[in-house]
Amino acid sequence: DGGITQSPKYLFRKEGQNVTLSCEQNLNHDAMYWYRQDPGQGLRLIYYSQIVNDFQKGDIAEGYSVSREKKESFPLTVTSAQKNPTAFYLCASSITGQPYNEQFFGPGTRLTVL
Amino acid sequence: GQNIDQPTEMTATEGAIVQINCTYQTSGFNGLFWYQQHAGEAPTFLSYNVLDGLEEKGRFSSFLSRSKGYSYLLLKELQMKDSASYLCAGYDSNYQLIWGAGTKLIIKP
Repeated sequence: DGGITQSPKYLFRKEGQNVTLSCEQNLNHDAMYWYRQDPGQGLRLIYYSQIVNDFQKGDIAEGYSVSREKKESFPLTVTSAQKNPTAFYLCASSITGQPYNEQFFGPGTRLTVL
Repeated sequence: GQNIDQPTEMTATEGAIVQINCTYQTSGFNGLFWYQQHAGEAPTFLSYNVLDGLEEKGRFSSFLSRSKGYSYLLLKELQMKDSASYLCAGYDSNYQLIWGAGTKLIIKP
């Protein structure tokens, strides 16, 4: 079955630690995205990548980093510089980065920083 | 600034019809999406409108008026499984997707 996987579903970390969230897709999609979802707010774009070895900052990239070394993988690192990292993180992909392409979402990772 | 507005919460009865509105203010316009998201789960695609008018898909229909910066999602024959949040998202002229905060729809028997 084709789809997007994110792991783990729940993640707990101590303040000051970096943590990496996994995102893998086997849909052969070129574009991948990371969003953050907080209660009462819309999805906010952290980073996106339209092609392998290339990525761009979204609206709230500060305190986060990504890599896109393989087409199917787009891991997100939440660094200690991120002031308020506790949130629900969603990874998505689309066939291309064109606006008419729907985005397919992974199940999400709920990160709690203690 | 750019903004997508939709009601925070709506309640409807099983078997009835409900309309969820969305207004947008974006710099330019390149299409509008509706997604459904059950609590704690991933959003799933419902519809995409780029031209004015109504698009129907089974029990769900989506309408767009570009001149009014307005869209709605119409859900007919409501079922309990339709209880979810409905997210409106619009593309601006820079091809950035702007998301609304979502409308939580509660279905009562």
